[in-house]
Amino acid sequence: EAGVTQFPSHSVIEKGQTVTLRCDPISGHDNLYWYRRVMGKEIKFLLHFVKESKQDESGMPNNRFLAERTGGTYSTLKVQPAELEDSGVYFCASSRGDSGNTIYFGEGSWLTVV
Amino acid sequence: QKEVEQDPGPLSVPEGAIVSLNCTYSNSAFQYFMWYRQYSRKGPELLMYTYSSGNKEDGRFTAQVDKSSKYISLFIRDSQPSDSATYLCAMNSGGSNYKLTFGKGTLLTVNP
Repeated sequence: EAGVTQFPSHSVIEKGQTVTLRCDPISGHDNLYWYRRVMGKEIKFLLHFVKESKQDESGMPNNRFLAERTGGTYSTLKVQPAELEDSGVYFCASSRGDSGNTIYFGEGSWLTVV
Repeated sequence: QKEVEQDPGPLSVPEGAIVSLNCTYSNSAFQYFMWYRQYSRKGPELLMYTYSSGNKEDGRFTAQVDKSSKYISLFIRDSQPSDSATYLCAMNSGGSNYKLTFGKGTLLTVNP
């Protein structure tokens, strides 16, 4: 069974540009999450989808971040325009519909804004 | 005060040692407690989770939760060089709230 896959694995963009990160959850997992770790800090929750609906987006830092999950399969996280403080690693995770304790993470998308 | 505190280490032990990793937390609503292992430049890998207070064992790994003290531990027996990684504690309150709150992680090195 394939795990959570993320693309791109690394991205370097200039301040003011746009970046779109993609996540493919484990097949059949209704729950999809985005997390972020910036330098020196702990991994922090951004938002949670249940199928195509946003269940909790309390961790989204500001309106420069837009997450979508059309059709309840893969998800994208767009940062527009990117700022220097957006640099970090963005993790996607997924879990079965009834499970909030077996959450599986992808390898992360490493974003550097210069 | 952070919701979850975890000593970042680094922690260095000889092969075969028993390793103790721990976290404290402040939110009494937390019910599920997870341990993740993260190798360098990789994503967090779920090791085990525990519900409420008590112990759970999986091979060389034992997780303990003491809700009265708001203290959780992960013990690794007979540690191996392949156990060298960052260990992250995470927790949530369950129900419909699946949001994980993480500690900063403890960097462990097991020396051959």
